[in-house]
Amino acid sequence: ETGVTQSPTHLIKTRGQQVTLRCSSQSGHNTVSWYQQALGQGPQFIFQYYREEENGRGNFPPRFSGLQFPNYSSELNVNALELDDSALYLCASRDVAFYGYTFGSGTRLTVV
Amino acid sequence: QKEVEQNSGPLSVPEGAIASLNCTYSDRGSQSFFWYRQYSGKSPELIMSIYSNGDKEDGRFTAQLNKASQYVSLLIRDSQPSDSATYLCAVVNNDMRFGAGTRLTVKP
Repeated sequence: ETGVTQSPTHLIKTRGQQVTLRCSSQSGHNTVSWYQQALGQGPQFIFQYYREEENGRGNFPPRFSGLQFPNYSSELNVNALELDDSALYLCASRDVAFYGYTFGSGTRLTVV
Repeated sequence: QKEVEQNSGPLSVPEGAIASLNCTYSDRGSQSFFWYRQYSGKSPELIMSIYSNGDKEDGRFTAQLNKASQYVSLLIRDSQPSDSATYLCAVVNNDMRFGAGTRLTVKP
């Protein structure tokens, strides 16, 4: 059973709205990354946080933003939703002793 | 050029055969390499990690790394129908980037 939990599991939003997705990582996992996975594609890197600071970002516009909190939880916020934002959003975390990332079960976002 | 490239497949092998999955990457500073398995509708699951040149074996899985050629591979021996999934190659240099994945089907 994964130690990384995401909420909600599914979400339907209207174009133009804002959404916040949440992730709770295992204790000690001070690095968290967020990914967008469209159907039939590999996960696309959105950004990474380490000790509450963003330390890496992929090719996503500024309307994708995030936060990481001291209790190993994090958020992905997306403003001005577009139809193409419909995807599975995954968070993954790791601790300093192991480079492998553990994934949460994901949030399926549908924008209509 | 994509950061991480995989043959998209699909790859189909008979039960009991060896499945060979390949991956190339562009960032020479990459330090860690992983293979994830993803079943349809599920999140990726880590199955192999490799950090230095050569082979690493774990049960029916063998990962191979050649940093000079910027090449990573995964061999699955004695393939089983339960191995049918999408296999994702992931490369880490500060953060982790994925290939598009190779869909593997193992036919009974």
